[in-house]
Amino acid sequence: EPEVTQTPSHQVTQMGQEVILRCVPISNHLYFYWYRQILGQKVEFLVSFYNNEISEKSEIFDDQFSVERPDGSNFTLKIRSTKLEDSAMYFCASSEELAGSYEQYFGPGTRLTVT
Amino acid sequence: AQSVAQPEDQVNVAEGNPLTVKCTYSVSGNPYLFWYVQYPNRGLQFLLKYITGDNLVKGSYGFEAEFNKSQTSFHLKKPSALVSDSALYFCAVRDQLFSGGYNKLIFGAGTRLAVHP
Repeated sequence: EPEVTQTPSHQVTQMGQEVILRCVPISNHLYFYWYRQILGQKVEFLVSFYNNEISEKSEIFDDQFSVERPDGSNFTLKIRSTKLEDSAMYFCASSEELAGSYEQYFGPGTRLTVT
Repeated sequence: AQSVAQPEDQVNVAEGNPLTVKCTYSVSGNPYLFWYVQYPNRGLQFLLKYITGDNLVKGSYGFEAEFNKSQTSFHLKKPSALVSDSALYFCAVRDQLFSGGYNKLIFGAGTRLAVHP
């Protein structure tokens, strides 16, 4: 069964450093998302991406964040200058958005620790 | 604005007993509702969804959920709990900002299910 994959599984970085989180969505999906989950808290939406453009972004997704689909398979989230409060689990998701099939499929996540 | 509420932080149930994990929603139109499960150090796994049709929807691992429009609820149920069902369960509603695709999911705070032998 196809699945969303994410790398790395765990990233430790120092405050102020840039990080890139990588995702490979399910191959026939057209809609891509990033969410994050701070330890013990709810899953929060960051950004959605379709047709090589951001469709929607949350207040969390400020100028320090960017997304890119550099080729036909990868979908990346970049944080330019990490802050302590960026420490969280970051989930990539993808969906088909066909009629009646609106569920999103999530990757296993990247745990980002900013020290 | 769309929202979901999961009123219980934790639900405890004995193995073999039925379980219910509660979810209520608030939407401006017809709701598209989902349940996801998260095992420790794992991603979110899709369990089931309600889009339209029968109010009782069946999903993976023997789970089902009942959509109740009058009570704006979408409770997750299973007739006989297993210890392996112990996990964090999230209810979610699909946002309706866009008429097309790429609507985000809005999650509840999650309910930890603990099934005891």
